[in-house]
Amino acid sequence: AQSVAQPEDQVNVAEGNPLTVKCTYSVSGNPYLFWYVQYPNRGLQFLLKYITGDNLVKGSYGFEAEFNKSQTSFHLKKPSALVSDSALYFCAVRGFGGSQGNLIFGKGTKLSVKP
Amino acid sequence: DGGITQSPKYLFRKEGQNVTLSCEQNLNHDAMYWYRQDPGQGLRLIYYSQIVNDFQKGDIAEGYSVSREKKESFPLTVTSAQKNPTAFYLCASSIGGDDTQYFGPGTRLTVL
Repeated sequence: AQSVAQPEDQVNVAEGNPLTVKCTYSVSGNPYLFWYVQYPNRGLQFLLKYITGDNLVKGSYGFEAEFNKSQTSFHLKKPSALVSDSALYFCAVRGFGGSQGNLIFGKGTKLSVKP
Repeated sequence: DGGITQSPKYLFRKEGQNVTLSCEQNLNHDAMYWYRQDPGQGLRLIYYSQIVNDFQKGDIAEGYSVSREKKESFPLTVTSAQKNPTAFYLCASSIGGDDTQYFGPGTRLTVL
């Protein structure tokens, strides 16, 4: 079965420190992977995606993600966190077979950046 | 959120009533989707449509219905058969079925 796991419900980081939000996946075939961010009572905003090519993907707002095929991971990173980065982050993988084109989401990780 | 609108932002429903949530996009996207979001559960797919006049059930379609009569519109009806409809509903669209999905601002439905 295709799935995405975000092992941490919450990540706490001090402003200016690097941040990592973890994601692991399980799919058959080559994965298409996505990261989205959600602010309270808002829709999801697309941050970045991995389809193929360079394992380090750069996205919006200074975020990047590293694809690691051997560890089936796609962790989201940022070198220096901002208080305004505090939000809910979702990792997603594109489904295959009967779910072709659909996104399978993780349960989300709440990022809290303190001044 | 730009290009995808959802209305209303907040919706209250009495038990036993059907309600329809609106989703409109002006991005000329072929594919549209409806998700339900509950705290701690991420997003779950309700219905999706990859082309006008065609749609498929997602993982949790029971108690919901949709139509896709126009490319830009994909309304979702929450019927009285949906046992636990209180949730945040998100609409999304993409150029094609394999492309990046972009989300609307959401509708929060509360059953009184």
